[in-house]
Formats: sequence, C-alpha cells, structure tokens
Amino acid sequence: EAAVTQSPRNKVTVTGGNVTLSCRQTNSHNYMYWYRQDTGHGLRLIHYSYGAGNLQIGDVPDGYKATRTTQEDFFLLLELASPSQTSLYFCASSDGANQDTQYFGPGTRLLVL
Amino acid sequence: GDSVTQTEGQVALSEEDFLTIHCNYSASGYPTLFWYVQYPGEGPQLLFRASRDKEKGSSRGFEATYDKGTTSFHLRKASVQESDSAVYYCALSDLGGGSNAKLTFGKGTKLSVKS
Repeated sequence: EAAVTQSPRNKVTVTGGNVTLSCRQTNSHNYMYWYRQDTGHGLRLIHYSYGAGNLQIGDVPDGYKATRTTQEDFFLLLELASPSQTSLYFCASSDGANQDTQYFGPGTRLLVL
Repeated sequence: GDSVTQTEGQVALSEEDFLTIHCNYSASGYPTLFWYVQYPGEGPQLLFRASRDKEKGSSRGFEATYDKGTTSFHLRKASVQESDSAVYYCALSDLGGGSNAKLTFGKGTKLSVKS
C-alpha cells in the first residue's frame, strides 16, 4: 500500500502569512493531489500533478499555488493566507496503471488567525 | 461537470442496525464509482469500487451495486458495529483521456453507531 506523509501535521499562522504544506509519497506514483476538507463541503480538489514539473488546476485553486519538485514531493503554497483557508488539507497519490484509486496522507490542520 | 450527491449528511444508528447511505451521480461519460471511508484522525481510504453497470463492490461487510439506469451507487451494510463509525464518501472518477484523472467526491456522510 502507498505511503503518503504530510508535514507539518498542524500549523497556525496569521492573516497575510506565508505557509508551505509538504507532501511526500514513497511508492513512485505518478499522480499527486491536494484537497481541502471542510464541514458541509466534503473533499475539494485544489491542485494536482502527474509528474515532476507538471501542475494541473483543480476545482478550488484560488489563493493557492503548488509545485511538484520530484516524483515524490508535492508542495502547497499559501502566499497570503486568509481565514477562509482555515481547513484540513489532504495530500493523495495514485499510480499510472491504476490511476483512479487514490491513497491519502494523514492530513494537515491549518488555522489562519 | 461531474457531480456526486449524498443525501444523508449524518446517520445515527445502534449496533446491528441496517445501514443505507444514498449516492447518486451525474457524469458525461462512463465513470468508475467509489466508496471511501475516513476514520477519525485519518485520511480517507478506499473501501471498494465498481467500474461497470450491475457490478457489485464489497468490503468489510459493506456493499454497493453500480446502477447506470438510476445513476446510483448506494452503500449498504446489514448489521453495523460501533467500529464502523466514520465518514463515508461516494466518489466518481472521470479518466478524461488518462492524463487528467481526478476524483469528484460527494459531501460525505458521518455515521455514528452506538453500542
């Protein structure tokens, strides 16, 4: 089973702050995804990537940047954090041969004051 | 665009009760359908999936049948346990040519089971 790790697990910042969330997967999956999870909205896709250097826009991309530096590492950047970005963020990965089954990390809880 | 509708936001049951969580979808193509489960403090994990009409997916006593006619994939379990308490997500995959594979999730159903 895929191993997906996220750091930090918890983060507090202030409005206007700069935040980077990190995700690493160790099973050589091609696809990686960033979601946010909010009560009443479920899981919403922010950005995703199918390889190093590639970035695809998700369903709720406003206010977020992302970068895929290697096959293993995918970062989510909030350059001017706002309270509306307070959420639980999940990273996921999937492989190319079975690309529709996604494996999720444990999540990062972000609070923007 | 594609969408998934879960009717129940929360379900509260007692042990050994029968569970049904309704899931209906809308998609332009022929999607693969999923149920994911998320236990407290964890990320979602795949429960099972189905890829074609009338296919039944099942795992851990849960099951759902892909129904293209009614565009549904309802989750059922005959006898729930306290350990089944979790959030359940219905999702669909629109491979869209392969390079844009992504999942569309419903809003989730929180199941609480009391002993």
